[in-house]
Amino acid sequence: QKEVEQNSGPLSVPEGAIASLNCTYSDRGSQSFFWYRQYSGKSPELIMFIYSNGDKEDGRFTAQLNKASQYVSLLIRDSQPSDSATYLCAVSISGGSNYKLTFGKGTLLTVNP
Amino acid sequence: EPEVTQTPSHQVTQMGQEVILRCVPISNHLYFYWYRQILGQKVEFLVSFYNNEISEKSEIFDDQFSVERPDGSNFTLKIRSTKLEDSAMYFCASRGTSGGPKFFGPGTRLTVL
Repeated sequence: QKEVEQNSGPLSVPEGAIASLNCTYSDRGSQSFFWYRQYSGKSPELIMFIYSNGDKEDGRFTAQLNKASQYVSLLIRDSQPSDSATYLCAVSISGGSNYKLTFGKGTLLTVNP
Repeated sequence: EPEVTQTPSHQVTQMGQEVILRCVPISNHLYFYWYRQILGQKVEFLVSFYNNEISEKSEIFDDQFSVERPDGSNFTLKIRSTKLEDSAMYFCASRGTSGGPKFFGPGTRLTVL
């Protein structure tokens, strides 16, 4: 069974610190990797996606992918209280044109002022 | 910025009743999806839809579920005879290109009594 695993947290960091969120996946054929942010009672909001090994930066966010280790991470620099949310790792399983997403349970991040 | 919209935001129904959840995907997107999230659990894939037909469905998507694109803009999910365990947030998502990121609508909270 194809799984996506995340530490459920909560992860608590002070304002201005770097938050590091981690995710592992079981299917070696996975091709696309996404980080979504979800506030309580709201829908997933896309933050970043990454397809190739290495780092991808977008503003305060950096996604890191290591396909050999089946590991993807999200770094949030200069964390703000508004970053407090659940962060969902999602993996797109290879094959066909469906690219359905398999989600992890999410990591709850709390940024303390 | 284009966005996925969903109606209603909250639907309350009696067990055994039929419900139709509606979505308007982003206008130039070609791939459409339904996901659901039971309270406190993972976001789960239900069905993908491309070129006016189902391209993949999960084991959750049994004969009680159906999807339709009745016109050029709407995408609907019908549950024929709702069960208590169908209570969840239902998210519509769309994407434009193969493997590209998905954008989620705000969700419909379905409550089955």
